[in-house]
Amino acid sequence: DAKTTQPNSMESNEEEPVHLPCNHSTISGTDYIHWYRQLPSQGPEYVIHGLTSNVNNRMASLAIAEDRKSSTLILHRATLRDAAVYYCILGRGNDMRFGAGTRLTVKP
Amino acid sequence: GAVVSQHPSRVICKSGTSVKIECRSLDFQATTMFWYRQFPKKSLMLMATSNEGSKATYEQGVEKDKFLINHASLTLSTLTVTSAHPEDSSFYICSAREWDLSTDTQYFGPGTRLTVL
Repeated sequence: DAKTTQPNSMESNEEEPVHLPCNHSTISGTDYIHWYRQLPSQGPEYVIHGLTSNVNNRMASLAIAEDRKSSTLILHRATLRDAAVYYCILGRGNDMRFGAGTRLTVKP
Repeated sequence: GAVVSQHPSRVICKSGTSVKIECRSLDFQATTMFWYRQFPKKSLMLMATSNEGSKATYEQGVEKDKFLINHASLTLSTLTVTSAHPEDSSFYICSAREWDLSTDTQYFGPGTRLTVL
């Protein structure tokens, strides 16, 4: 399985942008990059996913490096509701393995 | 994103009884669904992959006779925990794969908290 490396934790101030990094140097050509977030006692919430090009949706943006060995999830204006564990996962939809993720704390 | 539901959200049962958890994809058809388990302060662990109309594939260390999975339709998969014991108490989460020419990802249900007394 392709592996990802994420910081254990990050802090952000409310209403400021947040850049969550993910390294995946062993990514294969067919691997998508998926991002989910999870609040306590809830299932993972889909945030965004992409293959090669940068992606934007109403929740976030995904910036993928040209060599695809790293990516960054961008929350444009953090709110208190964005505090969660964020998971970066590689692979096709038939095989996803969760790492420890990044715990994002948002300070008012 | 697409919506996946789970029922029940919480269940408490006595040791030795069986519990069934349902997972439904509400706005798309899913030939493949997945069951995960999450213990407190840990990440999700994949238990099994459920393919519509065929037998589930279990991860190493997961007892297939204890965790029965049925995926009888393109929108419904069920997980039955048989002869539950307190160590089976956990947060069970399902997901469904959405896969076509333009995408390939999973959408997750809200989870089911199982407590075995």
